[in-house]
Amino acid sequence: DSGVTQTPKHLITATGQRVTLRCSPRSGDLSVYWYQQSLDQGLQFLIQYYNGEERAKGNILERFSAQQFPDLHSELNLSSLELGDSALYFCASSVGGGPEQFFGPGTRLTVL
Amino acid sequence: QQPVQSPQAVILREGEDAVINCSSSKALYSVHWYRQKHGEAPVFLMILLKGGEQKGHEKISASFNEKKQQSSLYLTASQLSYSGTYFCGTENGGTYKYIFGTGTRLKVLA
Repeated sequence: DSGVTQTPKHLITATGQRVTLRCSPRSGDLSVYWYQQSLDQGLQFLIQYYNGEERAKGNILERFSAQQFPDLHSELNLSSLELGDSALYFCASSVGGGPEQFFGPGTRLTVL
Repeated sequence: QQPVQSPQAVILREGEDAVINCSSSKALYSVHWYRQKHGEAPVFLMILLKGGEQKGHEKISASFNEKKQQSSLYLTASQLSYSGTYFCGTENGGTYKYIFGTGTRLKVLA
């Protein structure tokens, strides 16, 4: 158990819908990262927050947005969902933004 | 540009050794390695910060050659528990954007 929690574990929804994925980092970690993992794409970095502020953006679509709240938990919002958005979404956290990231168990999103 | 790992997949018998390579077309300032078991989240193994630096984690060690923009992961006397997909990763030159490699699936048979 990494200490990072993600909810929900599974999410099934329809195209065009909007969903919110939630992540609670390890106690004391200030950085939160979001990744998308699909079979043909590997681990794709989406976005990083550090202490409430956006620090880096990766291959995140405009339909996706995220935020980190004052209590350091983070939410990833996915809207106008498409079939291709089906994937495993991981949240990870680290103390200061270094490469030793602790990954949560992931949320498996299925878009029908 | 995503670092390229080789081989893509490897099957070993328990006790055999393996080497996984990670090559980047861009300069590497650090390399980190993760292992992801089937159905689980990636787990951090180690980070290499300097050219030629070698670090170890149990029977797993790694090297990093800055000039060649390459890193290699060495698994010695592999155990069943080593099975999984190994990813190298790097931060894109101070941008805080993390890029993971293409992955190497490793299976250890009894």
